[in-house]
Amino acid sequence: SQQGEEDPQALSIQEGENATMNCSYKTSINNLQWYRQNSGRGLVHLILIRSNEREKHSGRLRVTLDTSKKSSSLLITASRAADTASYFCAILGGNTPLVFGKGTRLSVIA
Amino acid sequence: GAVVSQHPSWVICKSGTSVKIECRSLDFQATTMFWYRQFPKQSLMLMATSNEGSKATYEQGVEKDKFLINHASLTLSTLTVTSAHPEDSSFYICSARDSTGAGEQYFGPGTRLTVT
Repeated sequence: SQQGEEDPQALSIQEGENATMNCSYKTSINNLQWYRQNSGRGLVHLILIRSNEREKHSGRLRVTLDTSKKSSSLLITASRAADTASYFCAILGGNTPLVFGKGTRLSVIA
Repeated sequence: GAVVSQHPSWVICKSGTSVKIECRSLDFQATTMFWYRQFPKQSLMLMATSNEGSKATYEQGVEKDKFLINHASLTLSTLTVTSAHPEDSSFYICSARDSTGAGEQYFGPGTRLTVT
């Protein structure tokens, strides 16, 4: 299956702490993308990392990609209550559509 | 950035009726669009791939006669849920691939369908 799998399934942290979510996949990829989704809302694109990249930053977000281990991680630093959401990784391989993992539900407690 | 719109945002319909959901790419052309479905607290599941001017490709387990897809132009794809039943209640999200870009997919805001 091309589906990415996030780990952990759910995570609860205190405001100000860092949150780390992992994504593993099984096939070769062109790129890997992370999305956020607030409850009952649409997807918000966070960051895209290409297969030849190892690390990308965007504000408080840091994404790493290890193609040898077929894994990626999303780090949110100095978390805020507004970061509470579900986070999905999605992989793109060849000309196929994005395939989503099951997501990590992050709760940031103020 | 590229914008994809969906209409309606939410719809409530009676069991047995049909509902049409529109997906439009507003500032780019999309020869390929995708339809996803998401049940509460679950991930997005790809339903079908919609190609402009040709028949859609459905994922395994998705009934093509129930979920009619039409991609009549480079900026519009429609999903019609025919003879809707309560189990069809879900969040439907479309995505469009920029034909001129590097294959980026852009997502619509989703349509929440409730069948009573």
